[in-house]
Amino acid sequence: DVKVTQSSRYLVKRTGEKVFLECVQDMDHENMFWYRQDPGLGLRLIYFSYDVKMKEKGDIPEGYSVSREKKERFSLILESASTNQTSMYLCASSLGATGDEQYFGPGTRLTVT
Amino acid sequence: GEDVEQSLFLSVREGDSSVINCTYTDSSSTYLYWYKQEPGAGLQLLTYIFSNMDMKQDQRLTVLLNKKDKHLSLRIADTQTGDSAIYFCAESRAGGSQGNLIFGKGTKLSVKP
Repeated sequence: DVKVTQSSRYLVKRTGEKVFLECVQDMDHENMFWYRQDPGLGLRLIYFSYDVKMKEKGDIPEGYSVSREKKERFSLILESASTNQTSMYLCASSLGATGDEQYFGPGTRLTVT
Repeated sequence: GEDVEQSLFLSVREGDSSVINCTYTDSSSTYLYWYKQEPGAGLQLLTYIFSNMDMKQDQRLTVLLNKKDKHLSLRIADTQTGDSAIYFCAESRAGGSQGNLIFGKGTKLSVKP
């Protein structure tokens, strides 16, 4: 079975802190994704990567950056956390072809105070 | 633009059938997906349908696709309390990089005993 793990289930940070969210997949998938999920807004794509060291902006990249130094690991970085970044963050991966199903991690609930 | 629409809430009684509806915009989508999210968890792929199919059945689940109207539905027969969850419809994203999906906002299914 594909396994996607995220470093923390719950995280509380202060405004202005630098925050790292880590995601690891164990199935040699090419594509990895970061979403945020907010009530009434569904899933919104922040960034995605289709290869090591490659990244592309999603629909809401402002305030975020990403890093993919190794194929299995995709990190989401909040350079200076703000309260409006309080959300559920979901990581996903997919094999690589167009329309491939995405496998999701359990999510990290981030609270910025 | 690209958009996936679904109603936000559905309430049914245990044992009844549930029908969750979705409309999408991209007629070139190759695959359409249904994901399930249980409380506090990430999304799990429930089923998918290839765009050249009209119907797909998998045990209690039936997916119907009307390409002309760009309408997708998920029917759950004999709905159980364990089916209570948020259900997301998703379509392959047009153009752009591989593997991107566009998600609806999710339909919260409540099953009353």
